Order: sequence, then C-alpha cells, then structure tokens
Amino acid sequence: GQQLNQSPQSMFIQEGEDVSMNCTSSSIFNTWLWYKQDPGEGPVLLIALYKAGELTSNGRLTAQFGITRKDSFLNISASIPSDVGIYFCAGSVNTGTASKLTFGTGTRLQVTL
Amino acid sequence: KAGVTQTPRYLIKTRGQQVTLSCSPISGHRSVSWYQQTPGQGLQFLFEYFSETQRNKGNFPGRFSGRQFSNSRSEMNVSTLELGDSALYLCASSYDGGRGQPQHFGDGTRLSIL
Repeated sequence: GQQLNQSPQSMFIQEGEDVSMNCTSSSIFNTWLWYKQDPGEGPVLLIALYKAGELTSNGRLTAQFGITRKDSFLNISASIPSDVGIYFCAGSVNTGTASKLTFGTGTRLQVTL
Repeated sequence: KAGVTQTPRYLIKTRGQQVTLSCSPISGHRSVSWYQQTPGQGLQFLFEYFSETQRNKGNFPGRFSGRQFSNSRSEMNVSTLELGDSALYLCASSYDGGRGQPQHFGDGTRLSIL
C-alpha cells in the first residue's frame, strides 16, 4: 500500500536539542496530521493542518503545511526524554470526508541525556 | 472524556480461523476507521464506517470486513486467517470523518497468527 516518504527514518539527539522532520508526497493533500506513537499504544494526535502555508504550534511542537500541498514539516524545540517515540505524518485528499488517511513511514526519535 | 476503546488488546489465532475485533469510539463520534499496522507495510487504511454504512475502503481482500452498530460501535472481522494477517489493528474515530475533524486512535488489538 501507499506510504508517504518521511525523513529522517531515525535520529538520536541530545536533550535540549531541536529536531526537524519532514514528509513528502507525490499527491496533493488538503489535510496534514502529525501523530506520535509510543510502544504498545496507538498514535496520538499532535497537530492538524488544513491550509497550504499554515503554521501551527502545540507547545514545543510546530508543524507547517507545505505551500505545494505535497509536503509537511514538524519541528520539536528543546527536546526532552519523553519526546522519545515514533512520529508519523498522515495526509488526506478527500474533500468530502477526511477519513482515509495515508501515513508516512515514520521517524523514530531517541533522546539521550 | 473516554478515548477510543479496543478489545481485546491481544489475540492469538491459528491459520484458517476467523476473528472479530471490537471498537468503541469516543462518545459522540460517528465515524469509525480501521487501520492495519505492520513493520513492513506501516499503517494502512482498511475501511471507514459512518451511520452504519461503509463509506470508504482501502485495498484489502474481501476476507477483511466490518460493520457498525446504531450506537457507532464497530467490529472488524477477518476470515480464513493467514500468517501475514499478524499485525496491530487500530481503530480511529472522529465526529463525522469530515475535513477539520481529525481522527483519534485507540491502543489497538495485537493479532498474532500461529
């Protein structure tokens, strides 16, 4: 099945560092979502984006909806140990319903003290 | 308010059997979607139900089916299980599945096929 290209695949960073990850698609999306998944749990919604060029923050997290509508970026500032996990982007193309999400391949984040 | 609840959390079956997984959406949510998560294929959309009707479908064989009840609870059924069906099955709900109504996920049912 289709997956969006997400990079980097994994990253080791030190506590306090900033993190950037991105997601690209060959198709245009009109909704971009970012989720975080911890081991043994389901994905938890972090940020939702609905408009090209939109920049939205949630605490230390900031995400942007790319102007071409084919990409999105997530930044985490001043990382802390609990930021460890797998981050997924997800896009939706339907204008009628946004229920069919296409997910990225995930970015595994590990934070060292 | 309570999140999306999936039962059971873990299930072990053998090839050829069938299985039914259950999902209770967030109270007031009417759209329920199902996803399969595997290490190789990642998260893949199975189908979405809204008002007891399947409204969207992914690219899975007919062995995968579902239904939704009048209280919005949903079940997913997999018949004639294959080894490759081993996966984490995730359910997500939203108010009506529309744009601007992001999906919220349960913790999944981990299905292992022996």
